[in-house]
Amino acid sequence: EAQVTQNPRYLITVTGKKLTVTCSQNMNHEYMSWYRQDPGLGLRQIYYSMNVEVTDKGDVPEGYKVSRKEKRNFPLILESPSPNQTSLYFCASSLPQASGRNNEQFFGPGTRLTVL
Amino acid sequence: GDSVTQMEGPVTLSEEAFLTINCTYTATGYPSLFWYVQYPGEGLQLLLKATKADDKGSNKGFEATYRKETTSFHLEKGSVQVSDSAVYFCALSDQNRGSTLGRLYFGRGTQLTVWP
Repeated sequence: EAQVTQNPRYLITVTGKKLTVTCSQNMNHEYMSWYRQDPGLGLRQIYYSMNVEVTDKGDVPEGYKVSRKEKRNFPLILESPSPNQTSLYFCASSLPQASGRNNEQFFGPGTRLTVL
Repeated sequence: GDSVTQMEGPVTLSEEAFLTINCTYTATGYPSLFWYVQYPGEGLQLLLKATKADDKGSNKGFEATYRKETTSFHLEKGSVQVSDSAVYFCALSDQNRGSTLGRLYFGRGTQLTVWP
């Protein structure tokens, strides 16, 4: 089954304790992206990756890191989490625009993070 | 820059009522337009899309027409069901900006609740 998986689905942590949220897709997609969803703000892009070893900042990258060492995986790293990073996080993947698929993005189920 | 503005809601309707959720966009190029739906506790799923002016996207009884003259992509359904209760996001992808290939710009989402 074609899908995007994220782990963990729920995480409660404390300020300053490094954490990683994993994201994996099995559709051989080049493009991957991380979003955070907050009430009243919709989805905001954190980072994206056009392909292996190619990453770039989205709208709200502060406090986050990503890596893309393999095509299928795109982990989100919070080196020193703070309470303002409490949010619902989504990973997404798609074929690139040039493929003619009009950029449908496939989303993971979400990771709800609470930073105390 | 590219952006999407949608009716914020919440929208509360009785079953079988008519639904409209307004969405307007700003884009520098020739965007593709999307509606995504998020059911409670789940990630976003593509509901429908339209890739050029006057295209009508449709799925599960929902429709939206790409109106270039009014820069709009309003979502409609003739008779809503309780199972349609979800958050709906309008989004665009600008096809003419190579540096943001694959990027989706989302509206803030509209919560729909349908009562029996």
